[in-house]
Amino acid sequence: EVQLVESGGDLVQPGGSLRLSCTASGFTFSSHDMNWVRQAPGKGLEWVSYISSSGRAISYADSVKGRCTISRDNAKNSLYLQMNSLRAEDTALYYCARVGVAFENGLDYWGQGTLVTVSS
Amino acid sequence: SYELTQPPSVSVSPGQTARITCSGDALPKQYAYWYQQKPGQAPVLMIYKDSERPSGIPERFSGSSSGTTVTLTISGVQAEDEADYYCQSTDNSDTWVFGGGTKLTVL
Repeated sequence: EVQLVESGGDLVQPGGSLRLSCTASGFTFSSHDMNWVRQAPGKGLEWVSYISSSGRAISYADSVKGRCTISRDNAKNSLYLQMNSLRAEDTALYYCARVGVAFENGLDYWGQGTLVTVSS
Repeated sequence: SYELTQPPSVSVSPGQTARITCSGDALPKQYAYWYQQKPGQAPVLMIYKDSERPSGIPERFSGSSSGTTVTLTISGVQAEDEADYYCQSTDNSDTWVFGGGTKLTVL
């Protein structure tokens, strides 16, 4: 069974940092591209960042570019999001989502999310 | 930045057909995807590559594309289909975007 479990969310002050993790199981993690997607309370989905299966291709939404770094450790079946200079508008539930076997297959599995709250 | 536009809400009676649209300039060149999200749950992929249905998704869900607009059609809507629906696409090979979401209400 495919499972994605996010962790690392917390209450943090503006300007602070957090490292989110996503641990994968039930599939060959190294064969799949991955994404982070967030959802502010009561709002819609917002794409945050993408990383290819090898880690060589990476992209970010403009809203987090320069403040966030996505990475992965295929040996540990883990995806990460380092978030710096956090702002109130970064408050959201952060999901990791798997891209299907082919890039065109969409985000076929999602975790349950980890909550990041940025507040003083 | 690239945007996908969805109607905020759609209402339909049980057994009727619901159509949710999504518009974007790059849709003629890029695939569209549809996700269903129920309250307190993670999104679920309902349609990929404009019109393909993942295994386990009921046949009443279908997708189509015409020019800059893609459409999610739910035939014979059931009460359990009440949810938020999001379209998603890319503006190039590695930049992703979601529509604002459409709340489907089953009257």
